Amino acid sequence: NAGVMQNPRHLVRRRGQEARLRCSPMKGHSHVYWYRQLPEEGLKFMVYLQKENIIDESGMPKERFSAEFPKEGPSILRIQQVVRGDSAAYFCASSPREGDTEAFFGQGTRLTVV
Amino acid sequence: KQEVTQIPAALSVPEGENLVLNCSFTDSAIYNLQWFRQDPGKGLTSLLLIQSSQREQTSGRLNASLDKSSGRSTLYIAASQPGDSATYLCAGENSSASKIIFGSGTRLSIRP
Repeated sequence: NAGVMQNPRHLVRRRGQEARLRCSPMKGHSHVYWYRQLPEEGLKFMVYLQKENIIDESGMPKERFSAEFPKEGPSILRIQQVVRGDSAAYFCASSPREGDTEAFFGQGTRLTVV
Repeated sequence: KQEVTQIPAALSVPEGENLVLNCSFTDSAIYNLQWFRQDPGKGLTSLLLIQSSQREQTSGRLNASLDKSSGRSTLYIAASQPGDSATYLCAGENSSASKIIFGSGTRLSIRP
């Protein structure tokens, strides 16, 4: 059972471009969380999704950011018109959400906006 | 609103010492509590998970405890080694189970 897979591991975008970050949860996991980690800071919650549903997006910036977790395929975090302040590590976690469950994290995508 | 605080922010100790990292949370309605390790520029490695019905977990030289009534968790590392140097993060999940909230971490340095 492969772990949580995130790709790409590193992404460089110019200001104004779009960034698409992908997260494939562990097999059998239907719940996905996205977090952002700015340099030298902790992980900040962004969004919690189930298949085809956004459960909690209280941590998502109001503009330019969106997330989805379709019935088939990976979860996607999309950042439109990136700015330098978007440079960060973006982590995805998944869990099966069956009672007391552990969240498993991917290795992250490091986005650099130049 | 759940807030998770970790003290100290940084800690440096000589090799071989036993040490305790602290994590406190504001909402006692916590469901699970996990401790993670993060090496510089790397992802998160789950160390221990204390589930809602448990009070502590042990793995090798690591022991984590959870006291919901006082809003605290501790991570005990025995016989520390230079390879233990990393940032240690605690993260709590509320009973509403809508998100996992992280502390800002403790940067641990073990001096040879």
